[in-house]
Amino acid sequence: EDQVTQSPEALRLQEGESSSLNCSYTVSGLRGLFWYRQDPGKGPEFLFTLYSAGEEKEKERLKATLTKKESFLHITAPKPEDSATYLCAVQYSGTYKYIFGTGTRLKVLA
Amino acid sequence: ETGVTQTPRHLVMGMTNKKSLKCEQHLGHNAMYWYKQSAKKPLELMFVYSLEERVENNSVPSRFSPECPNSSHLFLHLHTLQPEDSALYLCASSQDLTLSQPQHFGDGTRLSIL
Repeated sequence: EDQVTQSPEALRLQEGESSSLNCSYTVSGLRGLFWYRQDPGKGPEFLFTLYSAGEEKEKERLKATLTKKESFLHITAPKPEDSATYLCAVQYSGTYKYIFGTGTRLKVLA
Repeated sequence: ETGVTQTPRHLVMGMTNKKSLKCEQHLGHNAMYWYKQSAKKPLELMFVYSLEERVENNSVPSRFSPECPNSSHLFLHLHTLQPEDSALYLCASSQDLTLSQPQHFGDGTRLSIL
């Protein structure tokens, strides 16, 4: 069964302390991998799309990378406003469905 | 107004009530989705519409009834719900089902069943 696993489940960082979130998938024929940010009481906000191994995308303090079996969301020098739940979703070949992970709850302390 | 808008934001209802959730997208997208989000669980796909035609009914109980009158509007009609149906219901849209494009979400309706 195709799965998407995110780790860690929760992460607490000091402001300025860089780290990475992981999204691993057991999907044959990856069509696309998507990262989202979700704040409490809000819907997921789209961040990045990655389509093939070796691809990288950057936005402010965030950088997403993709290998053949996992993706990383690197957070460089995070600020308290980066605190949120980060969701990963995978779409595989032959379907329009997106499989979501359970997310990583990130808390950045000032 | 831009993006995906959902109303109401919060809803409390008894098990015998009938209510509807509304979603409107201003992105010109052709596909729309309903998801259920429960604590510590992945987003659960409920229904998918493409150009107003339902293409997915993911084993959802009949007490949930979707309606898509046009490509910009999506409804979820609720009746005789159970306590385990309490959750955040999210609407999303994407450009087209044939493209691998990101989905864009509304802020959801927080539903509580008494």
